[in-house]
Amino acid sequence: AQSVSQHNHHVILSEAASLELGCNYSYGGTVNLFWYVQYPGQHLQLLLKYFSGDPLVKGIKGFEAEFIKSKFSFNLRKPSVQWSDTAEYFCAATGPGRRALTFGSGTRLQVQP
Amino acid sequence: GAVVSQHPSRVICKSGTSVKIECRSLDFQATTMFWYRQFPKQSLMLMATSNEGSKATYEQGVEKDKFLINHASLTLSTLTVTSAHPEDSSFYICSASPPGGVDEQYFGPGTRLTVT
Repeated sequence: AQSVSQHNHHVILSEAASLELGCNYSYGGTVNLFWYVQYPGQHLQLLLKYFSGDPLVKGIKGFEAEFIKSKFSFNLRKPSVQWSDTAEYFCAATGPGRRALTFGSGTRLQVQP
Repeated sequence: GAVVSQHPSRVICKSGTSVKIECRSLDFQATTMFWYRQFPKQSLMLMATSNEGSKATYEQGVEKDKFLINHASLTLSTLTVTSAHPEDSSFYICSASPPGGVDEQYFGPGTRLTVT
């Protein structure tokens, strides 16, 4: 069965610290990978996506993610977080013949000023 | 960018009543819309895939007679929670996917349903 797992449930960082959120997927065949962010009281927004090509994907707000096929991973990174990055982050995937997203459990990021 | 709206944003209803939630794609046509449910501090779980002009496809464990989905036009899908119970209280989120085979979805702001 298709699944997406996020191992960090709650991360607390100070401003300017570097961020890496883990995401692993279990899919047969070609996979499309996404990171979404949900700021408090707001709807889900797409941070970045990977369909094919360069495995290092750059998204909005200074975020990037690296697709490592051999590790079935798509970790999210940001070199220096800001207080405004406080939000819930979801990794998600779609697979062959399935357009609906399978979400990970989410990681709550709290950035302290 | 693509905008998806949901109405209402928040609704409180009594047990046994029905509630309709609307999902609209405002600036694009969506042949496919998705309905998700999000429990507090948990992830989004897909409930069903709504295709314009055809029956919705429900995920395993989701009661199609309880969660009625209608995708009557290319810009509107509705989810009706029938005979609501307190355990149906949740955050319901829709997303819409533009045509063209691109696996990208745009999310609505969600509807908070509380059943008393």
